[in-house]
Amino acid sequence: GDSVTQMEGPVTLSEEAFLTINCTYTATGYPSLFWYVQYPGEGLQLLLKATKADDKGSNKGFEATYRKETTSFHLEKGSVQVSDSAVYFCARSDNTGKLIFGQGTTLQVKP
Amino acid sequence: DAGVIQSPRHEVTEMGQEVTLRCKPISGHDYLFWYRQTMMRGLELLIYFNNNVPIDDSGMPEDRFSAKMPNASFSTLKIQPSEPRDSAVYFCASSGTGNNQPQHFGDGTRLSIL
Repeated sequence: GDSVTQMEGPVTLSEEAFLTINCTYTATGYPSLFWYVQYPGEGLQLLLKATKADDKGSNKGFEATYRKETTSFHLEKGSVQVSDSAVYFCARSDNTGKLIFGQGTTLQVKP
Repeated sequence: DAGVIQSPRHEVTEMGQEVTLRCKPISGHDYLFWYRQTMMRGLELLIYFNNNVPIDDSGMPEDRFSAKMPNASFSTLKIQPSEPRDSAVYFCASSGTGNNQPQHFGDGTRLSIL
């Protein structure tokens, strides 16, 4: 069935390091792709999205490019901050109105 | 703009009691979703509605759980009777129509069943 797979966490980085969180998906057709972030004690917030192949979503220094040929939507940031510590979820749309979420990747950034 | 509003934020009750969680979606959104999040099972979709009609309730764990959406601006998730294993954070989310529409989440209800 349709699924979203993220890299296992936790990911631990030092401040100002480069971040990559891998995400791949299976799909029939052309889903929209999303990254959500969840800070401790809060709900999920939309971080960025891309709706078609080769689109690049970006927000708050984070970027992800919709790669149809590799069915991937990896999240990147050039220089992470302690305040980026959170759980990150990759998701794709399906044809019934709901989103399929990955299992989430915990990011810990140390000063 | 007001986001998705959930109440209560925290609920602590004894097992066997009825629990009712409430959600007000964003105005104009026609999809509403209920999720449960735990450390063990992660984020699980319980049920979702389109135009107030339940579309898929296959994620509802058992008959003790029920959800309603009497109108476009209000939904409830009820657990009766509650059990300790129901302890979790319950999220409500809403979205507009279309594959490119993101879901907007509330802040969640942290439920503890003693």
